[in-house]
Amino acid sequence: EPEVTQTPSHQVTQMGQEVILRCVPISNHLYFYWYRQILGQKVEFLVSFYNNEISEKSEIFDDQFSVERPDGSNFTLKIRSTKLEDSAMYFCASTLAGGGETQYFGPGTRLLVL
Amino acid sequence: SQQGEEDPQALSIQEGENATMNCSYKTSINNLQWYRQNSGRGLVHLILIRSNEREKHSGRLRVTLDTSKKSSSLLITASRAADTASYFCATDAKNTDKLIFGTGTRLQVFP
Repeated sequence: EPEVTQTPSHQVTQMGQEVILRCVPISNHLYFYWYRQILGQKVEFLVSFYNNEISEKSEIFDDQFSVERPDGSNFTLKIRSTKLEDSAMYFCASTLAGGGETQYFGPGTRLLVL
Repeated sequence: SQQGEEDPQALSIQEGENATMNCSYKTSINNLQWYRQNSGRGLVHLILIRSNEREKHSGRLRVTLDTSKKSSSLLITASRAADTASYFCATDAKNTDKLIFGTGTRLQVFP
């Protein structure tokens, strides 16, 4: 069964460094998302992406964050200058169509900022 | 806000028993989805119920939706130790497909 994959599974970085989290959505899906979950807290929406542009973003998704679909398969989240509070599990999700269809999540990247 | 809240926060049962988890939300929704998360792992989609549906089944899972009460329940019948996980509801509203997740219920099934 097709699934969303994410790399790396774990990333440790120093505060102020840039990180890029990578995702390969399900191949025929058109809508892509990033969510994050700080340890012990709710899963929070960051951004949605369709047709090579951001369709919606949350207040968390400030200028330090960016997303890109550099080729036909990858979908990346870049954090330009990491802060301690960016430590979280980051999930990528994809769906075939927008408008409330099932979102399939990847296994997540656990980011630790020291 | 459209935040979902699950109750109970934690539930411990014996294998073979049924587990019921509830989710409440605040604003009108388009769909409600239930996800499962094993400790520190990814989110596995369980079931999606649309706002015009009242009940849905998938294997040992039964989901109900009451839009008048803005609540949903997830019933797992004949639970197994492997069902031990956290369960989250997530809602989306019309004109947006971002999911708003609830606080989750931690289910422990003892063999």
